Amino acid sequence: DTEVTQTPKHLVMGMTNKKSLKCEQHMGHRAMYWYKQKAKKPPELMFVYSYEKLSINESVPSRFSPECPNSSLLNLHLHALQPEDSALYLCASSQVRGEGGVWNEQFFGPGTRLTVL
Amino acid sequence: QKEVEQNSGPLSVPEGAIASLNCTYSDRVSQSFFWYRQYSGKSPELIMSIYSNGDKEDGRFTAQLNKASQYVSLLIRDSQPSDSATYLCAVNKGEYGNKLVFGAGTILRVKS
Repeated sequence: DTEVTQTPKHLVMGMTNKKSLKCEQHMGHRAMYWYKQKAKKPPELMFVYSYEKLSINESVPSRFSPECPNSSLLNLHLHALQPEDSALYLCASSQVRGEGGVWNEQFFGPGTRLTVL
Repeated sequence: QKEVEQNSGPLSVPEGAIASLNCTYSDRVSQSFFWYRQYSGKSPELIMSIYSNGDKEDGRFTAQLNKASQYVSLLIRDSQPSDSATYLCAVNKGEYGNKLVFGAGTILRVKS
C-alpha cells in the first residue's frame, strides 16, 4: 500500500466552526507533514511530525492545531478560521532518513479543499 | 534570492519533443532534490528524486544534478499531451533536514 489518504475531500465551514482534517498512511513512514497550497502557488509547509512528535511548526497561527495520535494518523484541527485560510490542505509522509543521511521522498495525499465562509 | 527558483513558463513544446525544465537552489548543504508533477486541481505526484551529481533516468524522465552549480534539471523525452502540468522542483533545506522547499513551478504545455 503506497497511498496517503485524506478526508474529507471538500470542506466548507464558517468562521465560528470547529472541524478536523484527517490523514492516514500505511507505508510505515515515521514522518508526516501538513502543507497549505493556495491557487497557482507551491505548497507551503505548516507542520512536521517525526516519530509522532512535532518537530517543525512554521509559525502557523494557533487556529490550526495538529495532532498525531499514532504513526499512521495525522489530524489538523481547525477553529475560528478566516476566509484567507481557504486553500488546498495537503498531507504527506516519508521515511525519516534514508541511506547516507539523505532525506527521502515525500508522498502526498489527494488533499482537502477547504473553503471558509 | 529565492531559495528555489524555476522559470514559471509556460513552456510549450510539440508532441514528441524533449521538454527541459530547470531549477536553481541557494542552500549549498542541501542533499536531496525532487521533481513533482501537479495537474490542475490535484495534489503533487513525485516523479523523480536525485541525490548525487550526474544523471538519473527513469523511463522518459531524466533528472540531472550539479551541486557545484546548485542546479537541477528535468528532461522529458517524447513529450505527450498528458505531460501537460505544473512541474515543481523541491529541495530539502539542510538546516531543517526533512523540510522541503518548493520552487514556484513551471507550467508545461505539450501541443499535439
